[in-house]
Amino acid sequence: EVQLVESGGGLIQPGGSLRLSCAASGFTVRSHYMNWVRQAPGKGLEWVSVIHSGGKINYADSVKGRFTISRDTSTNTMYLHMNSLRAEDTAVYHCARERSWGYSGSDYSYMDVWGKGTTVIVSS
Amino acid sequence: DIQMTQSPPSLSASVGDRVTITCRASQSISSYLNWYQQKPGKAPKLLIYAASSLHSGVPSRFSGSGSGADFTLTISSLQPEDFATYYCQQSYSTPRTFGQGTKVEIK
Repeated sequence: EVQLVESGGGLIQPGGSLRLSCAASGFTVRSHYMNWVRQAPGKGLEWVSVIHSGGKINYADSVKGRFTISRDTSTNTMYLHMNSLRAEDTAVYHCARERSWGYSGSDYSYMDVWGKGTTVIVSS
Repeated sequence: DIQMTQSPPSLSASVGDRVTITCRASQSISSYLNWYQQKPGKAPKLLIYAASSLHSGVPSRFSGSGSGADFTLTISSLQPEDFATYYCQQSYSTPRTFGQGTKVEIK
């Protein structure tokens, strides 16, 4: 079964650090674009970061310089290292697999598998 | 960054109603537009990709249309399990951006 399971969330003080994990099963993370998407309480979805199958990495401006995305092919796990945490980072963090569909010379990407999420609360 | 604007932010409808949600991009994104459904406390689920392609296992009452900057998600006959929040998302460029969501509530 294709599945993503996040872990590592918790209550952390402002300025602290946390590492989130996203364990994949049923497919290999290195073969896909893998994303982190977060959702603050009562708010909408916010894209955070992506690691491409080829290793290229992108971040949202709101986390650039503070968060680091990585993957471990030996354990088929993706990570999000979060430093200098702020109250506004409080959210449920989901990982999501991104696939693409080629049609008429274009590649259309979409997030087809999502984890249930792990909750990060930044508060003193 | 490409901004995605959904309307309405919320709507009330009855079982059996036809429901339409719109999504507008701040620039042309061709057909690089996806739709997701999210229920409280759950992960989002992919409904539509590439503006109009139905994801595997999604009921045929869901459909998507549009290209360029204006898109529509239609539920032809609302079912009890369809009460949820719906998000559009562009995959034309990074950062991937989502609309603010449309909450579909029971009338």
